[in-house]
Formats: sequence, C-alpha cells, structure tokens
Amino acid sequence: NAGVMQNPRHLVRRRGQEARLRCSPMKGHSHVYWYRQLPEEGLKFMVYLQKENIIDESGMPKERFSAEFPKEGPSILRIQQVVRGDSAAYFCASSPMDWGRNTIYFGEGSWLTVV
Amino acid sequence: AQSVTQLDSHVSVSEGTPVLLRCNYSSSYSPSLFWYVQHPNKGLQLLLKYTSAATLVKGINGFEAEFKKSETSFHLTKPSAHMSDAAEYFCVVTLYNQGGKLIFGQGTELSVKP
Repeated sequence: NAGVMQNPRHLVRRRGQEARLRCSPMKGHSHVYWYRQLPEEGLKFMVYLQKENIIDESGMPKERFSAEFPKEGPSILRIQQVVRGDSAAYFCASSPMDWGRNTIYFGEGSWLTVV
Repeated sequence: AQSVTQLDSHVSVSEGTPVLLRCNYSSSYSPSLFWYVQHPNKGLQLLLKYTSAATLVKGINGFEAEFKKSETSFHLTKPSAHMSDAAEYFCVVTLYNQGGKLIFGQGTELSVKP
C-alpha cells in the first residue's frame, strides 16, 4: 500500500511564475490536507478537502493560492505569481473518512524555491 | 482555541542517555495530542498519539509520552538515545471534530552526541 505521494519533490520557480504541487492520497483515503512549513517553523494548516469539495480553507492566503481535489486524479495546490516568501516545504496528508479514530498520514513534501 | 508550546527549540544529549522533549498545550476541550518526527528533507512520521485512552502512551522506536491534564503537558521521553534519533520533533494538538486540522508546535531539534 503506497503512502501519500507528492510531486514534484523539489520545484524551482522564478518570481511571477506559477507553481503546481500534486498529491495522491493513500489508497482508500478520501480526505486531503495541505500544510506549509516555512524555514525554521512548524507546519501550518492551509486547507482541507474531500473529493470535489473544499471543507476548510481557513489557512489559505487570500490571494494567489488555490486548491482542488477532483473526482479523478490527485489533489493540486496551485500558487500563482509566486514571490520569494512562498519558498517553503508544502506537505500533503490524507486520512480515511472517520478521522477521529484514525491517523492522518503525511507525504514527504514538496520543496518550493522561488528565485 | 488550541495551541501548543514546545519549551525547547534545541536539545542535545549523549548517546545512551535519556531524552526529554517538553510540550505544553492549551485546549478548551479534551484534545488529541501527537508527536511527529521529521528527519532532514523528509516527511513526518507519527511517533505516538493520545486520544483520551491511557494517559501513558507508548510509541515507536522506544518513545513514550504521558498526558498530564493537571499540568497541560505531553512530554516525550526515551530511556536511551540512539544516534538515529537525531531529528526535528513536533508536538501537535487537535480536537476530535477538527478533522485533520492539526496545530503544530515550533519544533525541537534533537542532537545526539556519540
């Protein structure tokens, strides 16, 4: 059973370009979460999605950031017009439906560098 | 609102000596608490979790943590450090009805000297 898969693992973008980060949850998991880890900091919650629905996006920046989890295919975190401050590690996690009795599992992260 | 404070940003121990990583939490309701470990440029691995069952929780790799409601603490311990334990450790809190919305501490970097 493959774990949470994220790609690319490392991404370099110039200021103003777009970054797309992909996350495939563990098999059988229908809930996906995105977290961001800035240098020297802990992870901060960004968004929680189920298939075709955004459940909680309270941690998403108001502009340039969006996330989706389509019926088919991976979840995508999209950052438009990237700036240097977007440089961070972005982690995806997934869980089965009844999270309260289950652990959420993290992917290995995608490191975004904006130059 | 929930929050978590890791009292030490960096802890250094010698191999074979005990490890203590301190964590205090704040929560209006009964929280779920976790410890995760992150090796350099790697994802997070769950060490252990507390979800209102036994207050002494045993995890992987010889780690354990004790939930102390009176002290609002959830310190992580290990009797004997191994070189492979060197990593970043995160204390995490959430409420059962918050889905996967985890609140992370700032992290404690553990160094293990030979």
